Amino acid sequence: DAMVIQNPRYQVTQFGKPVTLSCSQTLNHNVMYWYQQKSSQAPKLLFHYYDKDFNNEADTPDNFQSRRPNTSFCFLDIRSPGLGDAAMYLCATSRDRGDYFYEQYFGPGTRLTVT
Amino acid sequence: GESVGLHLPTLSVQEGDNSIINCAYSNSASDYFIWYKQESGKGPQFIIDIRSNMDKRQGQRVTVLLNKTVKHLSLQIAATQPGDSAVYFCAEAGSNTGNQFYFGTGTSLTVIP
Repeated sequence: DAMVIQNPRYQVTQFGKPVTLSCSQTLNHNVMYWYQQKSSQAPKLLFHYYDKDFNNEADTPDNFQSRRPNTSFCFLDIRSPGLGDAAMYLCATSRDRGDYFYEQYFGPGTRLTVT
Repeated sequence: GESVGLHLPTLSVQEGDNSIINCAYSNSASDYFIWYKQESGKGPQFIIDIRSNMDKRQGQRVTVLLNKTVKHLSLQIAATQPGDSAVYFCAEAGSNTGNQFYFGTGTSLTVIP
């Protein structure tokens, strides 16, 4: 059964046209992450939520925003996509670390194309 | 983010041979490490993890070794199969990274039948 679901799997948007990617989880994990992955590169962390607490990476452009209306759902909003934003976007979840870290569970990703 | 890097970007092995994939990290406070396998067009898939209070952990056909002295991590795959062909990433998290995980560069493993 899918535990981290991303929709859509493929998204085509026009240059400058806002786009929203969605992620949902059935694991009831506190932490949700968004990563950007370009071809032949490692996933790059954009931001994460610990419950409703938003944590932005210092080098994440302002063009990228996120919303987490409840535990199960998290959205990635790209306000004005540029050609350089074409990438695979990965959502992941984990239990909050407490005294120990726990593994992340990844969704299948959304492949974003910008035309 | 923290620096987590891999020594070899590509690796080709014969089917049935053992594979070793290496990873170096720079954050001395790192205390949790994960190896992921990523097939083309898919999200990363958890393979095995290790905490800093261990130096070796074994799974099914896989072994992770951790050398904290030199900040080095390796993944050993026994009897490599064509289905093992993928990109392998190490990721690390530490006491000074909150809930964040940071990924290394990745190694592309090709298994030759």
